[in-house]
Amino acid sequence: DQQVKQNSPSLSVQEGRISILNCDYTNSMFDYFLWYKKYPAEGPTFLISISSIKDKNEDGRFTVFLNKSAKHLSLHIVPSQPGDSAVYFCAAEAGGGADGLTFGKGTHLIIQP
Amino acid sequence: GAGVSQSPSNKVTEKGKDVELRCDPISGHTALYWYRQSLGQGLEFLIYFQGNSAPDKSGLPSDRFSAERTGGSVSTLTIQRTQQEDSAVYLCASSSYQVGKDGYTFGSGTRLTVV
Repeated sequence: DQQVKQNSPSLSVQEGRISILNCDYTNSMFDYFLWYKKYPAEGPTFLISISSIKDKNEDGRFTVFLNKSAKHLSLHIVPSQPGDSAVYFCAAEAGGGADGLTFGKGTHLIIQP
Repeated sequence: GAGVSQSPSNKVTEKGKDVELRCDPISGHTALYWYRQSLGQGLEFLIYFQGNSAPDKSGLPSDRFSAERTGGSVSTLTIQRTQQEDSAVYLCASSSYQVGKDGYTFGSGTRLTVV
């Protein structure tokens, strides 16, 4: 039973346009959400996070939106750059962190020139 | 060190053999996590260490898996009698907080192939 779902295995976006990556979750106990970016043969790197008490968090070109009632979050990247091509993982945490993060399967973002 | 170091980076082993994977966390990070990523899957949480405290082992996939952390620093993940379904990338992460509010720092992983 997948508690964190990323329904798009891949996404292709033109350079300079907006990339929108989506994530849905089922566990209402999740109170913190994170996005990680992963290049081949490297470990995931932290990108941006959001607490469940907020609905938006912005960091430079990256913005995460959280819709608690819909149990949905999205990552917006604008403008998209070639270096953004990577696999993006959505992750969620339920209070305390001792149970680790629950990850989605990832979305492979391809930025086309 | 500057980052989380994992060794070996690649390991090919025969079915039935034991393997040991090592993780050196960032100095001073008290929290250490093991995850694995099977082909086409997301990261699966395995086990969490906070300092020298005994870990909760309930996330380990079977009793063939064990992990320890010596002196609150280096951790080893041991898989006994490996099976083909154990083939995956095993990732270690460390954090300066029990809760990953800043996100963990992951190592590059150990790619385990059981043949």
